[in-house]
Amino acid sequence: GEDVEQSLFLSVREGDSSVINCTYTDSSSTYLYWYKQEPGAGLQLLTYIFSNMDMKQDQRLTVLLNKKDKHLSLRIADTQTGDSAIYFCAVLGTASKLTFGTGTRLQVTL
Amino acid sequence: GAVVSQHPSRVICKSGTSVKIECRSLDFQATTMFWYRQFPKQSLMLMATSNEGSKATYEQGVEKDKFLINHASLTLSTLTVTSAHPEDSSFYICSATAGVSSYEQYFGPGTRLTVT
Repeated sequence: GEDVEQSLFLSVREGDSSVINCTYTDSSSTYLYWYKQEPGAGLQLLTYIFSNMDMKQDQRLTVLLNKKDKHLSLRIADTQTGDSAIYFCAVLGTASKLTFGTGTRLQVTL
Repeated sequence: GAVVSQHPSRVICKSGTSVKIECRSLDFQATTMFWYRQFPKQSLMLMATSNEGSKATYEQGVEKDKFLINHASLTLSTLTVTSAHPEDSSFYICSATAGVSSYEQYFGPGTRLTVT
């Protein structure tokens, strides 16, 4: 089955950019997503990218997709303390099934 | 945007009892709903996929007799944890989509189940 990996932890200073990385194994994945989860809460969809795109920008968020290397990244510009959370990448496979990455905990320091 | 609710948000039950969790799509018709389980500091694991009016499809390793899923209407799916045990304590999250080919899944806020 699909395997989606992320680094576990990232610490950045407020105002800096954050880059969260994700790798996946299934090259036939159609949509790839980034979700944010705050403690004790559900998932908030941040953005998604279709597999025929290389980049998508949405305000402070930039998603880069390298299909050849099966690598997805999320860049958060001007990171704020409110961005502290766990970020999951997810990959859409057959029958609308999502496979989630292991999650990256983003810590924003002052 | 599309809203999915879950009820209850938190539940504590005694070992051996059954607990029902509801997942509702509030402003759209959800032909497909998904149930996930999340252990502390871990990722979400898909438990089952349910389509309105048909039996749920369970992922490998998920006991269908223990986790009963009903998707009786286009806006409601329920997950019943039968004869709950402490190891069933977890965060259960549902999601809903408007169609099998839809690429947008909307997630509920989750239900924290604690079995004592």
